[in-house]
Amino acid sequence: DGGITQSPKYLFRKEGQNVTLSCEQNLNHDAMYWYRQDPGQGLRLIYYSQIVNDFQKGDIAEGYSVSREKKESFPLTVTSAQKNPTAFYLCASSTGGSGYEQYFGPGTRLTVT
Amino acid sequence: RKEVEQDPGPFNVPEGATVAFNCTYSNSASQSFFWYRQDCRKEPKLLMSVYSSGNEDGRFTAQLNRASQYISLLIRDSKLSDSATYLCVVNSLTTSGTYKYIFGTGTRLKVLA
Repeated sequence: DGGITQSPKYLFRKEGQNVTLSCEQNLNHDAMYWYRQDPGQGLRLIYYSQIVNDFQKGDIAEGYSVSREKKESFPLTVTSAQKNPTAFYLCASSTGGSGYEQYFGPGTRLTVT
Repeated sequence: RKEVEQDPGPFNVPEGATVAFNCTYSNSASQSFFWYRQDCRKEPKLLMSVYSSGNEDGRFTAQLNRASQYISLLIRDSKLSDSATYLCVVNSLTTSGTYKYIFGTGTRLKVLA
């Protein structure tokens, strides 16, 4: 079955620790995205990548980093510099370009205490 | 003004009712439009793309009005299982030449028995 996987589903960390969230897709999509969703809020774009070895900052990139070494994988690191890291993190992919829908992974719920 | 605006609701309707949501967008150059459904604590899932001529998928009808810059979603014969948050998504070309998805904050629907 084609799809997007994210792991883990729930993640707990202490303040001051970096943490990396996994995102893998086997849809052969060129574009991948990371969003953050806070309670009662819309999705906000953190980073996106249109092609391997290239990525761009989204609207709220501060305190986050990404890499895109393989087409299938787009891991997100939440660094200790991110002031409010507790949130629901969603990874998505699409064929790229206009008119193409995005598909989402099941998300990772990160809690930092 | 937000780039994509939706009435947050909640819309509480009885089973079998017809309900309509609107979504307005600010970028007149936006190129593609979608409705997603998001259940509580889950990822968004594509409900339908929205085409210029309007489109229908079973009990769901989507319309686009480019002149007034809004899209709509009509749900007929509401089911209990339609209870969810409905996200309006607009895809626009950025100044850097990439396509960006802008999400509304969602409209919450509760279908009551």
